[in-house]
Amino acid sequence: GAVVSQHPSRVICKSGTSVKIECRSLDFQATTMFWYRQFPKQSLMLMATSNEGSKATYEQGVEKDKFLINHASLTLSTLTVTSAHPEDSSFYICSARGPLGQGRGTEAFFGQGTRLTVV
Amino acid sequence: AQRVTQPEKLLSVFKGAPVELKCNYSYSGSPELFWYVQYSRQRLQLLLRHISRESIKGFTADLNKGETSFHLKKPFAQEEDSAMYYCALSDDFGNEKLTFGTGTRLTIIP
Repeated sequence: GAVVSQHPSRVICKSGTSVKIECRSLDFQATTMFWYRQFPKQSLMLMATSNEGSKATYEQGVEKDKFLINHASLTLSTLTVTSAHPEDSSFYICSARGPLGQGRGTEAFFGQGTRLTVV
Repeated sequence: AQRVTQPEKLLSVFKGAPVELKCNYSYSGSPELFWYVQYSRQRLQLLLRHISRESIKGFTADLNKGETSFHLKKPFAQEEDSAMYYCALSDDFGNEKLTFGTGTRLTIIP
């Protein structure tokens, strides 16, 4: 399958600083990328959907000014956690999907995730 | 709102025994259902989706709209099946926005 790479895999930052997480599709053009958050022993929760060249669509309860998403090219989306607090500590996962094919769409491929710890 | 329920957080099965991972969903439209798997130290990956009606690694899942279920089954468990399994639902708008269940950790006992 296609490869989605997330960077960094782990990051520790101080409260009040901003952290940027990158999600790249390495061998396909990702028209849509999704950002998820996973708390320990809980499910993945969709934060936002980003389409290349347009503003991200945030899920209810997700602060768009807190979690800035940029999808400037067909192979890169970034999530910036601004003014990070300890409660933002979590596992963040991106997934990327190629252009819609026949039928119901194409498979989404997942990055390896980023463990964010805010101290 | 759509919801996916996986009632079992942990499931242990002996090698060679049948496996069934339960998944129930609630959604008013026509959803698409998926099973994703995460092996130890690996990323989440698609196992199967109901519209393809495939059998992957011996696993099958049938969408039962009457019972709103999409249980994952395998007749004979293998040790390499030990992993975290997530059931997921996509709404009928075709945008692949996924709602995940809480996952079931399957352990195959040798």
